[in-house]
Amino acid sequence: GAGVSQSPSNKVTEKGKDVELRCDPISGHTALYWYRQSLGQGLEFLIYFQGNSAPDKSGLPSDRFSAERTGGSVSTLTIQRTQQEDSAVYLCASSSRDSLYGYTFGSGTRLTVV
Amino acid sequence: GQQVMQIPQYQHVQEGEDFTTYCNSSTTLSNIQWYKQRPGGHPVFLIQLVKSGEVKKQKRLTFQFGEAKKNSSLHITATQTTDVGTYFCAGFGIGGSRLTFGEGTQLTVNP
Repeated sequence: GAGVSQSPSNKVTEKGKDVELRCDPISGHTALYWYRQSLGQGLEFLIYFQGNSAPDKSGLPSDRFSAERTGGSVSTLTIQRTQQEDSAVYLCASSSRDSLYGYTFGSGTRLTVV
Repeated sequence: GQQVMQIPQYQHVQEGEDFTTYCNSSTTLSNIQWYKQRPGGHPVFLIQLVKSGEVKKQKRLTFQFGEAKKNSSLHITATQTTDVGTYFCAGFGIGGSRLTFGEGTQLTVNP
């Protein structure tokens, strides 16, 4: 597609429930990234996929967080047993392998845990 | 690990004043990128600097990469209300595989 597409745009969930956030990157981009941004804060790195290489999971805050990328394209970020501190905007970005033209971010999923 | 620090965290200016944000890396960078995030929006890529001492301009925005490739700056001349947002720098460490983002500078412009 023309841009990075994320769904849903907003998600309200009850504490303890699982959620899945979806990211559809730009066609042909081999790299995909997930970030988390709390209100007024910076970008917290979560996970990075590059082609068929093993993902860099070093930013995942706990084992309740996981992500996969199927067929080198669409990615799903799963948060199990959500907590109130998980409330944030989850941003997905994609880039070419060398990131020469920067990361292209999606509009994000605003997650609210009540 | 690599750290990228950005100052100031916040900057309030009157419309027409100049603005500068500074970015410093704990390690030498292969390149540095700058992004702008409007309120309620997502980060948007502005520019990439690669060469030591490089200076690039985009209209009223001037980007510099330090000689040692460890620091960078973004200068906006005669700010406008459309410049409001958070400006992030992000660096690639030498041999690194992904960008490390700074904390951002939030710019407010009073009309």
